[in-house]
Amino acid sequence: DQQVKQNSPSLSVQEGRISILNCDYTNSMFDYFLWYKKYPAEGPTFLISISSIKDKNEDGRFTVFLNKSAKHLSLHIVPSQPGDSAVYFCAASAGGWNFNKFYFGSGTKLNVKP
Amino acid sequence: EAGVAQSPRYKIIEKRQSVAFWCNPISGHATLYWYQQILGQGPKLLIQFQNNGVVDDSQLPKDRFSAERLKGVDSTLKIQPAKLEDSAVYLCASSFDGSYEQYFGPGTRLTVT
Repeated sequence: DQQVKQNSPSLSVQEGRISILNCDYTNSMFDYFLWYKKYPAEGPTFLISISSIKDKNEDGRFTVFLNKSAKHLSLHIVPSQPGDSAVYFCAASAGGWNFNKFYFGSGTKLNVKP
Repeated sequence: EAGVAQSPRYKIIEKRQSVAFWCNPISGHATLYWYQQILGQGPKLLIQFQNNGVVDDSQLPKDRFSAERLKGVDSTLKIQPAKLEDSAVYLCASSFDGSYEQYFGPGTRLTVT
């Protein structure tokens, strides 16, 4: 059973526009969320995080929004750049004694067109 | 700062053969993770070490997979015997004690024929 879902396998956006990547989860115990970015032949790299006590976290061009009632989070990239083209994974943790056990979604491949 | 190192980067074996992967985490990172990423899916945690002790191996197929982390630094993951469905990228990651952020290595792409 997949507890974290990214229902859009791919997304194509024009350079300069906004990219919105979505993630849904089923486990109401999840309280910490991460987004990772992955280029081909490389491991994922950490991008941004959000705790369940917040509904928004910003870091430069990247903003993550969390809607706990809907069990939904989204990553906004504004403005999108060609270098942002990669696969984006969301991941969630239920905290507690093993707070850094994360469940990953299947990823969304973002293509930013020049 | 050197990143997480993994070897080999690619491996092709026949089913029923055995294979081993090696991981060297970032210096000072107490927690080490092995993930399996099947094509089209997200990484799935196989085993998590805290220093040289196992924290979680609930998703490790223990009849064929084994892992160890001697001296709390390097780690090896072994598959014996391999099955076709083991074809995947095996990712190693590490993190500081108490940190959510995991640093991933480049992975080992395993193909079982």
